[in-house]
Amino acid sequence: ETGVTQTPRHLVMGMTNKKSLKCEQHLGHNAMYWYKQSAKKPLELMFVYNFKEQTENNSVPSRFSPECPNSSHLFLHLHTLQPEDSALYLCASSQDRGEGRETQYFGPGTRLLVL
Amino acid sequence: GQNIDQPTEMTATEGAIVQINCTYQTSGFNGLFWYQQHAGEAPTFLSYNVLDGLEEKGRFSSFLSRSKGYSYLLLKELQMKDSASYLCAAMDSNYQLIWGAGTKLIIKP
Repeated sequence: ETGVTQTPRHLVMGMTNKKSLKCEQHLGHNAMYWYKQSAKKPLELMFVYNFKEQTENNSVPSRFSPECPNSSHLFLHLHTLQPEDSALYLCASSQDRGEGRETQYFGPGTRLLVL
Repeated sequence: GQNIDQPTEMTATEGAIVQINCTYQTSGFNGLFWYQQHAGEAPTFLSYNVLDGLEEKGRFSSFLSRSKGYSYLLLKELQMKDSASYLCAAMDSNYQLIWGAGTKLIIKP
């Protein structure tokens, strides 16, 4: 248990569905991240929020829409996804960005299958 | 470009020692992380090196050479539960982690 929870753990959706992934951290951290993990590929950073403000968007398609209502919660809204979006979506948090407090702690992930 | 290289898969015997290597190229450098990830689970933090040298934590040690862009993770007295993927990640000048694809470690009895 890392102090970062994600729901749902598994999700199957059609290409026309809309769904949301939820992440919550209980560590008092200020930065939160969304990553995509595909088999045998490096983790791909999608979005970064620091103090609820989005600081990075790594050229992610608009069918992925993040939301950070406060520093403890992070959502990823999904709309009209493609089969190639099937992957493990990981949420992480860190105390801060920089200043020696960058260690990221991960949630268990949501395994997404797009049919 | 920025890049991390680590072996795709390694096999070792229970009770033995294994060294997992990682080389990196980044724009600036703010440290090197190792994570362990069991199948279907979250990556968990193992170590962080920012200065040259060896850091030891129980059965696990991590080494960094900044001049060579090289790190390794050393696992001693291997146990079956050490079977997992080991992820190497280097932090660039923007404090963004550049990840390797992971090394799958298989432990045999």
